[in-house]
Amino acid sequence: EVQLLESGGSLVQPGGSLRLSCEASGFRFSSFWMGWVRHAPGKGLECVASIKLDGSDKYYVDSVRGRFTISRDNARNSLYLQMNSLRADDTAVYYCAKHGDYAYDYWGQGTLVAVSS
Amino acid sequence: DIVMTQTPLSSPVTLGQPASISCRSSQSLVHSNGNTYLSWVQERPGQPPRLLIDKISNRFSGVPDRFSGSGAGTDFTLKISRVEAEDVGVYYCMQGTQFPWTFGQGTKVEIK
Repeated sequence: EVQLLESGGSLVQPGGSLRLSCEASGFRFSSFWMGWVRHAPGKGLECVASIKLDGSDKYYVDSVRGRFTISRDNARNSLYLQMNSLRADDTAVYYCAKHGDYAYDYWGQGTLVAVSS
Repeated sequence: DIVMTQTPLSSPVTLGQPASISCRSSQSLVHSNGNTYLSWVQERPGQPPRLLIDKISNRFSGVPDRFSGSGAGTDFTLKISRVEAEDVGVYYCMQGTQFPWTFGQGTKVEIK
């Protein structure tokens, strides 16, 4: 059974940093692209970042490029999202998601990031 | 970026009746490999999103057959043949043809 377990979400002040983690199990982690998707209050879903099998290729949505960094540790079956220079509009539930056939086929339960002073 | 536009944004439905959601992309979703990567995601209240359909019409594992997808190019449709209470939630189309992957605004399905 595929499981994705996010952690690291919390309340942080504007300009602060946070690191999200996602621990994966139930599939060969190193064989799949992975991504982070967020759902801000009152808004729709947004793909934040994606990373290739070996970490050699990464994609970011424009609004986070230069502030967020996606990474992975295949030995630990783990995905990460380093978030710097956080802004109020980064407030959202962040989901770790496994790439399937050019779609997200499995999602974690999500972790809440709240940016506020 | 490819813009995904859904209609309607809200769909009140009577239990047992059909529901239909349209999704239009700002450019063709046909990939260079010939496939079209349009998927549908369901978000039920208090639950994480769940993949329903990928590649226009392929139902994902465990998805009831009352859900069906169709379309081509830039125009796509999700249909629920007979809405059940557990189908209440927000439905999103998503394109996976080009990074960044993008979602529609979401369509809220609720019971009348």
